[in-house]
Amino acid sequence: DVKVTQSSRYLVKRTGEKVFLECVQDMDHENMFWYRQDPGLGLRLIYFSYDVKMKEKGDIPEGYSVSREKKERFSLILESASTNQTSMYLCASSLLTTGTGSHGTDTQYFGPGTRLTVL
Amino acid sequence: GQSLEQPSEVTAVEGAIVQINCTYQTSGFYGLSWYQQHDGGAPTFLSYNALDGLEETGRFSSFLSRSDSYGYLLLQELQMKDSASYFCAVLGGGFKTIFGAGTRLFVKA
Repeated sequence: DVKVTQSSRYLVKRTGEKVFLECVQDMDHENMFWYRQDPGLGLRLIYFSYDVKMKEKGDIPEGYSVSREKKERFSLILESASTNQTSMYLCASSLLTTGTGSHGTDTQYFGPGTRLTVL
Repeated sequence: GQSLEQPSEVTAVEGAIVQINCTYQTSGFYGLSWYQQHDGGAPTFLSYNALDGLEETGRFSSFLSRSDSYGYLLLQELQMKDSASYFCAVLGGGFKTIFGAGTRLFVKA
């Protein structure tokens, strides 16, 4: 079974603090993703990575940065936490085959999430 | 802009069939996925459609019509444990996955 783990289930930080959220996957997946989930808004993509040292902005990258120094680890960094970054943060990984024909897939495996509260 | 529309809530009785619709407007399209999420849990993958038509996996089926930018998830023989949120997601341009806001399914006895 694919296992995606996140460093903390719950985290409380103060405004202005630097926050690190860690994600590790054990299935040698190339692709890793960071989402935030807020009620009524679904999952919104913050950043994703297709390879080591590679990163791409998602839909809401402002206020966040990422690091992928090793294939299995993808870190999300809040440089200066703000109260509007209080949210559930979900990490995911996948093996992506392009979606042509019946062999395409976009199966993402999610970690348990980190509920971050910024005071 | 890019958007996915799905109903916010659906209620059905145990043993019934329920259909959750999803319409999308995205730049680029590779496929439509569905995920299930129970309260307090992580989303889990249910299905992916890259081609038009119906894909069946046990009690769950997923349908796609690319010409209509539309898909649905069909749940048959509903069970109480199916009460959860269901998200449609499009793999679109730039290989970005965009999720809908989710449909909360309530299954009643």
